[in-house]
Amino acid sequence: SAVISQKPSRDICQRGTSLTIQCQVDSQVTMMFWYRQQPGQSLTLIATANQGSEATYESGFVIDKFPISRPNLTFSTLTVSNMSPEDSSIYLCSGELGGTDTQYFGPGTRLTVL
Amino acid sequence: SQQGEEDPQALSIQEGENATMNCSYKTSINNLQWYRQNSGRGLVHLILIRSNEREKHSGRLRVTLDTSKKSSSLLITASRAADTASYFCATEGGSEKLVFGKGTKLTVNP
Repeated sequence: SAVISQKPSRDICQRGTSLTIQCQVDSQVTMMFWYRQQPGQSLTLIATANQGSEATYESGFVIDKFPISRPNLTFSTLTVSNMSPEDSSIYLCSGELGGTDTQYFGPGTRLTVL
Repeated sequence: SQQGEEDPQALSIQEGENATMNCSYKTSINNLQWYRQNSGRGLVHLILIRSNEREKHSGRLRVTLDTSKKSSSLLITASRAADTASYFCATEGGSEKLVFGKGTKLTVNP
């Protein structure tokens, strides 16, 4: 299995500011993903974080709003830019161990935008 | 868009009873995974069942998959108060990406 940590665990931010969330995996995963979970809802995939290249975004999500970095196999960041109250959600990263098809999730970052 | 649809949306049972949650999906899959989430925290992976498997067990968990009906069920036997959580199914269709259902909120009363 893989152990995934995220920082910060929660934050309260002002409208118009940006927040960068960090995701660290304890082993080298082939794939890393970022999800959003709006209040009372299920998880929606934001993007696939690709090592050393631009992330692949899902429909409805754009790089200018959610820039993602993945400088190596065990670390990724997601920035939520120019935040509005609609961005209040839990943001989760996940990693898939090669050959297992299993995604392991971090504990999530609970973001509140005022 | 969401592919998996769980039912029921909410389930309340007494400790010791069995809990059954169902998941339906729309397109072909490589595998289906079940996760648990406690109080808006991170997801815990419970079990993965591949498209060529029909049933899988892990401890008190039993998962079935019927690809002809595009449905899966998760059975938790002899439930405990600690099983209280939201349960999500997620399908993977060959792109490594997971598509999550809306989840079932399970409450196990002591």
